[in-house]
This record gives sequence, structure tokens and C-alpha cells, in this order.
Amino acid sequence: VQLLESGGGLIQPGGSLRLSCAVSTQHFSGYAMTWVRQAPGKGLEWVSGINPSGESTYYADSVRGRFTISRDNSKNTLSLQMNNLRVEDTAVYYCAKVYAGSGLDYWGQGTLVTVSS
Amino acid sequence: AIQLTQSPSSLSASVGDRVTITCRTSQGISRALAWYQVKPGKPPKFLIYDASSLESGVPPRFSGSGTGTDFTLTISSLQPEDFATYYCQQFYSYPLQPTFGGGTKVEL
Repeated sequence: VQLLESGGGLIQPGGSLRLSCAVSTQHFSGYAMTWVRQAPGKGLEWVSGINPSGESTYYADSVRGRFTISRDNSKNTLSLQMNNLRVEDTAVYYCAKVYAGSGLDYWGQGTLVTVSS
Repeated sequence: AIQLTQSPSSLSASVGDRVTITCRTSQGISRALAWYQVKPGKPPKFLIYDASSLESGVPPRFSGSGTGTDFTLTISSLQPEDFATYYCQQFYSYPLQPTFGGGTKVEL
């Protein structure tokens, strides 16, 4: 399983950005997926999760109402739509595959989102 | 959300040392805990799940233990490639907010 994020960049506060994660596997539609971020010099923070079908989504309190996770199982793609971005959203964003509801076993290399004026 | 507190936040050790990192949760989580290793500029590496199950390919010098609210990650004989930051993550509340601990940096 290989994961590759894209879509990061520099954005002004209040702006929007859409991250994508391309997943190389035949079994993408069977995996729950998540987004995790790491702000510069800070720890890991779980951001959002989605079940295999895409019908159920979950969010950290810090992003609920601003971020939307989605997936396209026909294209093996996971997305994170980020609206009303704040300076504190600056981080490297990782997509990761959930292993049996017990851990995150495969990770992408990450994409940097910088929110600054 | 369930809070995870790791201790120490950092430690100094030498090659060959036995290292123990603790993760305490704000409520009982049975054995629903994972551990990761993070090196600068790299994505996290999955080490342990269900508190003590070693992920495939992870060296056996890594081990995990604990249940309820208190968990430990032990490196039996620290190797040069083990200098990194380690994080615990609870999956008891999964899929709702599977929170991470604050991390423990293992330094030379």
C-alpha cells in the first residue's frame, strides 16, 4: 500500500484548500482512512476519519464545521476540504490507513499547509 | 475526548540502554493503544497495536505492555536508529477522536 498526498501550499487566513491522497492498492474500498497533522515543532494530532464506504465521517473538535473529509473509491482517492483556514492549521498533513480499528499502519509522506498572511 | 499523557517528555540515553516510555490515559481503554516512532521529516512508523502486538517487521527489541489506563513502550537495547520521538494513540473511542499522546523524544 502506498499513499501520496498533494494539494498543500501557502494560503491566507480564511482561505480554502483541498488536499488529496492517492492510494495505491486494490483494496482501497475496504479500508477506513484518516488524516493526521503535525504542526511545526508540535506533536501528532488526529484530524478526521472516514469509514470504507464514505458514509460515516468523523472530526476533531478543532476542525469540525470547517473541514470535510471524503473519498472516491472508484479512483482510490481520499480528500480533505479545508475551509476558513486559521494560522493554527499550519502543519504537515498526513493521510493514513486504519488497521483493524487498532492503529494506522500505512502513511503518506505528508503535505505542508502554511496559513499565513 | 480521552486524554493521553506521556512521560517523560524527553529522555537522554545511550546505545545499548533499556528505555521505557509511559502513556497514561484519562479513562480506561482496555488494551486499545498503539505506538508510533517519528523521525524528523519522515512520516510516523507504526510499531505496536492492541498495547502489545508488534507490527510486522518491527524489531523484537520493541515491546509494549499495559491495560486500562497505564501503558509502557520498552526498547530493550537502544540502537542508533531508535533515536526518535515516540507517540501513543488510543483507539478505544475509535472512530471518534482516536487521540495521540504528547510524545517522548529519545535523545543521545
